Amino acid sequence: DQQVKQNSPSLSVQEGRISILNCDYTNSMFDYFLWYKKYPAEGPTFLISISSIKDKNEDGRFTVFLNKSAKHLSLHIVPSQPGDSAVYFCAARYRGSNYKLTFGKGTLLTVNP
Amino acid sequence: NAGVTQTPKFQVLKTGQSMTLQCAQDMNHNSMYWYRQDPGMGLRLIYYSASEGTTDKGEVPNGYNVSRLNKREFSLRLESAAPSQTSVYFCASGPRGGTLNEQFFGPGTRLTVL
Repeated sequence: DQQVKQNSPSLSVQEGRISILNCDYTNSMFDYFLWYKKYPAEGPTFLISISSIKDKNEDGRFTVFLNKSAKHLSLHIVPSQPGDSAVYFCAARYRGSNYKLTFGKGTLLTVNP
Repeated sequence: NAGVTQTPKFQVLKTGQSMTLQCAQDMNHNSMYWYRQDPGMGLRLIYYSASEGTTDKGEVPNGYNVSRLNKREFSLRLESAAPSQTSVYFCASGPRGGTLNEQFFGPGTRLTVL
């Protein structure tokens, strides 16, 4: 049973516009959420995270929103740039898991010039 | 600092052959992890080591063994490779506890089993 779901396998946006990547989760014990970005032939790199006690975290062009009641989080990228084209993974952790992360299947973002 | 390093980068095996994937980190992290990535499946945890001297199964441990050689090194062994183990393997490390939660990933090993 998939506990972290990214229902959109791909997303295409124009340069300069907003990219919104979505993630849903089922386990109410998750206390920390992370977004990773992955380029082809490279390992995932950490992008931004949010604790379950917050509803928003911002870092430059990247903002993550958490809606605990809906068990939903989203990553906003504004403005989108061609270099943002990558696969984005949503991940979640709960303390009882020994700090393991559970990943979604990823969303391929393509930013068109 | 090199971060997380993995060897080899590429490997082709025949069914039944064995091999060990090596991973090392220089960030003094307590925890280390092995994942596999398959098309459309995201990252799935194979084994992890929460601290030196301990290892535990993840989501997909069958067909694999691990060794936490010391704090820096965590190896993944395929005793008898099968075509279903064709995948990209990522090693990761992370601090245990505290306010930092992110894991740091190596560049991956692309394994093909014929």
